[in-house]
Amino acid sequence: NAGVTQTPKFRVLKTGQSMTLLCAQDMNHEYMYWYRQDPGMGLRLIHYSVGEGTTAKGEVPDGYNVSRLKKQNFLLGLESAAPSQTSVYFCASRIFDGSNQPQHFGDGTRLSIL
Amino acid sequence: RKEVEQDPGPFNVPEGATVAFNCTYSNSASQSFFWYRQDCRKEPKLLMSVYSSGNEDGRFTAQLNRASQYISLLIRDSKLSDSATYLCVVNEGTGGFKTIFGAGTRLFVKA
Repeated sequence: NAGVTQTPKFRVLKTGQSMTLLCAQDMNHEYMYWYRQDPGMGLRLIHYSVGEGTTAKGEVPDGYNVSRLKKQNFLLGLESAAPSQTSVYFCASRIFDGSNQPQHFGDGTRLSIL
Repeated sequence: RKEVEQDPGPFNVPEGATVAFNCTYSNSASQSFFWYRQDCRKEPKLLMSVYSSGNEDGRFTAQLNRASQYISLLIRDSKLSDSATYLCVVNEGTGGFKTIFGAGTRLFVKA
């Protein structure tokens, strides 16, 4: 049981390049989230999904797109990377059973944009 | 007012000390509560859930006061390995997706 797996772990991009971060969970969780965390700062929600085929914006969605074509996968895309998107990206998932369960996190993707 | 507010920290304590973290939340409809631990450049990890009756896990005790909308975490006999950032986390609403993370309180335990 791997839990939440993020790929890649590290990536360096040039300004204007595009890439996709993959989050996969094997816990059959309905809810999935993408966060970014800048040095010394808290987590900020980028996008989230409450189920397969659905996505919604969080507090900092600009410059990112997401897709959830399969329940176990949540993809985060950067269409044209900017230096301001240099950050650590965490994916999390949570089961839907009322609201008593915590989120489970992947170990992060460290992204640098030059 | 922030939805979840924590002591700003950092807390610097010697090994063996008892340290308490406080957290308040603004939404009275909040349903469930947690403390997470985050080590430097690592993902947040669930430390413990917080129940209305209070709960204990070894050296860690969590308490919830719904009337005051207040959550606490007590660490007894601090270890060097307890050095981390502690996040107060709240799930809002019944069946809702929304989880609010506090900004965290940094703890340094020194020998």
